[in-house]
Amino acid sequence: AQSVTQLGSHVSVSEGALVLLRCNYSSSVPPYLFWYVQYPNQGLQLLLKYTSAATLVKGINGFEAEYKKSETSFHLTKPSAHMSDAAEYFCAVNTGGFKTIFGAGTRLFVKA
Amino acid sequence: GAVVSQHPSWVICKSGTSVKIECRSLDFQATTMFWYRQFPKQSLMLMATSNEGSKATYEQGVEKDKFLINHASLTLSTLTVTSAHPEDSSFYICSASFSGGGNEKLFFGSGTQLSVL
Repeated sequence: AQSVTQLGSHVSVSEGALVLLRCNYSSSVPPYLFWYVQYPNQGLQLLLKYTSAATLVKGINGFEAEYKKSETSFHLTKPSAHMSDAAEYFCAVNTGGFKTIFGAGTRLFVKA
Repeated sequence: GAVVSQHPSWVICKSGTSVKIECRSLDFQATTMFWYRQFPKQSLMLMATSNEGSKATYEQGVEKDKFLINHASLTLSTLTVTSAHPEDSSFYICSASFSGGGNEKLFFGSGTQLSVL
């Protein structure tokens, strides 16, 4: 069975600091992995996705994530946080079928 | 934690029939609910944003008359796929937004796989 664990429901960083949001998954088959962002009062937006090509995936707004099979991880990073990055981030896994499993989300706070 | 119940989890229907999918927030009031669809290996696509007591806001390219959304109460939103066709076969997922303590939190239903024959 698939599952997704996001470590830390809240992460706080200073503006300009590194952003690291953690995601671990379990899957019996090679997964498709996604990171989404949700801003207040809006639906999810796709940040990036891993679909078995390059293990380092670059997304929008300077975010990137690295697929590490040995660690079953897909952590999201950004070198320098911006105030506009404050939002909720969701990691998700799909194994090629219809169903997608979401993590519980991590709220990112950015301090000035 | 908060729970969003989506029903049914799987439905098979004949072409031309209508299918209703329910999304309920079980232990909180959801002022806003979102409906998404997803094809295998693809990312979610936002279909519409639904606010209780008002008409849903549909994303560009989503047919309002095809995908009827009703958000009659703070705990229930429904998506009706009218006159379903095989190309409507997809995974539909809802999410409900809870606002409390100054923060907004999103919770997901478990999704509905629709297969149209």
